[in-house]
Amino acid sequence: DAGITQSPRHKVTETGTPVTLRCHQTENHRYMYWYRQDPGHGLRLIHYSYGVKDTDKGEVSDGYSVSRSKTEDFLLTLESATSSQTSVYFCAISVGEGYEQYFGPGTRLTVT
Amino acid sequence: QKEVEQNSGPLSVPEGAIASLNCTYSDRGSQSFFWYRQYSGKSPELIMFIYSNGDKEDGRFTAQLNKASQYVSLLIRDSQPSDSATYLCAVPSGWTFGSGTQLTVLP
Repeated sequence: DAGITQSPRHKVTETGTPVTLRCHQTENHRYMYWYRQDPGHGLRLIHYSYGVKDTDKGEVSDGYSVSRSKTEDFLLTLESATSSQTSVYFCAISVGEGYEQYFGPGTRLTVT
Repeated sequence: QKEVEQNSGPLSVPEGAIASLNCTYSDRGSQSFFWYRQYSGKSPELIMFIYSNGDKEDGRFTAQLNKASQYVSLLIRDSQPSDSATYLCAVPSGWTFGSGTQLTVLP
């Protein structure tokens, strides 16, 4: 257990509505990540953060934004949810400078 | 082109056998490699990482790295039904994951 929590754990929302997912860590790790996991695609990086207010895009960042105003919290926002964003979302932290990652429990998001 | 390729499987082995999982990668600059295990409905958990050519052993798990061939593998000795899961290979370059290999260990 790397002290990572995600909220909500499950969410159903309608197309066009904004959605924010929260990742919270208790150990002041510098690096935090957001992934989505879909059948046939494995884990794909959406955005990552290397410090407070320091974020960068990953492989599949279109339609997503992130914010990190405190070390312990990394928020993922879908400004206007689409059905293609139905997925399982995982947050991760990295121990050390970009080395091994540890994952949160995940959020299952369904966009109807 | 995906940077990390894995045999999607599924792979089935009998209990007590050696399970061999393979991963190839395209970025010759990759220096480290990670293996994760993911049970159905759960999050990935780190089981091994390897940086140097050759073998690294941890209990029943052995990771093998061949940088010249851009190939990394995971061997699970004395496979148990509890090893049944999807195994993911990852490289830190862009934090790219393979699609995973589903392993089933038959009692």
